[in-house]
Amino acid sequence: GENVEQHPSTLSVQEGDSAVIKCTYSDSASNYFPWYKQELGKRPQLIIDIRSNVGEKKDQRIAVTLNKTAKHFSLHITETQPEDSAVYFCAAYAARGGNKLVFGAGTILRVKS
Amino acid sequence: GAGVSQSPRYKVAKRGQDVALRCDPISGHVSLFWYQQALGQGPEFLTYFQNEAQLDKSGLPSDRFFAERPEGSVSTLKIQRTQQEDSAVYLCASSLVAGFGELFFGEGSRLTVL
Repeated sequence: GENVEQHPSTLSVQEGDSAVIKCTYSDSASNYFPWYKQELGKRPQLIIDIRSNVGEKKDQRIAVTLNKTAKHFSLHITETQPEDSAVYFCAAYAARGGNKLVFGAGTILRVKS
Repeated sequence: GAGVSQSPRYKVAKRGQDVALRCDPISGHVSLFWYQQALGQGPEFLTYFQNEAQLDKSGLPSDRFFAERPEGSVSTLKIQRTQQEDSAVYLCASSLVAGFGELFFGEGSRLTVL
């Protein structure tokens, strides 16, 4: 089945700097890659997603890139703000693996002001 | 409210007790998922319903875990004879469509087994 690896596990950046989180996946049939943000004690919420027919997608300060050949995708946050501090999860979906998202282990992002 | 609602939010059980966790998905959502999230880890898939049909239960860790969604809306996750390793946050998520799409998560039910 699908396996998703995420790194780094923790990331500290200064306010205003950029943050990059990377994920790799194992199933070449995966075709949907969302990113979820989870604040302490709160529910995970979708912040951006990308499908396999697109290489890059951007939404204001957040962008995601996908390299299907290498089977990895990344989240880029520019001009980080303290409210960006949270745990970020990547995930991958492959229809042949069952109708489920497989999540990475998460990255704790701390933005220092 | 319009979001996914889970109850109870917190549950403390003695080892060996049975527990039942409830999920009210967003009205009209076809897909419903249960995930288990251990401390410091990502959500781990447990089971998936499309309407009332349980199409995938491959993530249930043992036969002590049972889930149902009899009328295609509210779902219950039941854990029998709880063990300490069952301690985790149990997240329910729903999606408007079958197949892939945005998952809307509930706040989770935190289970602590003593």
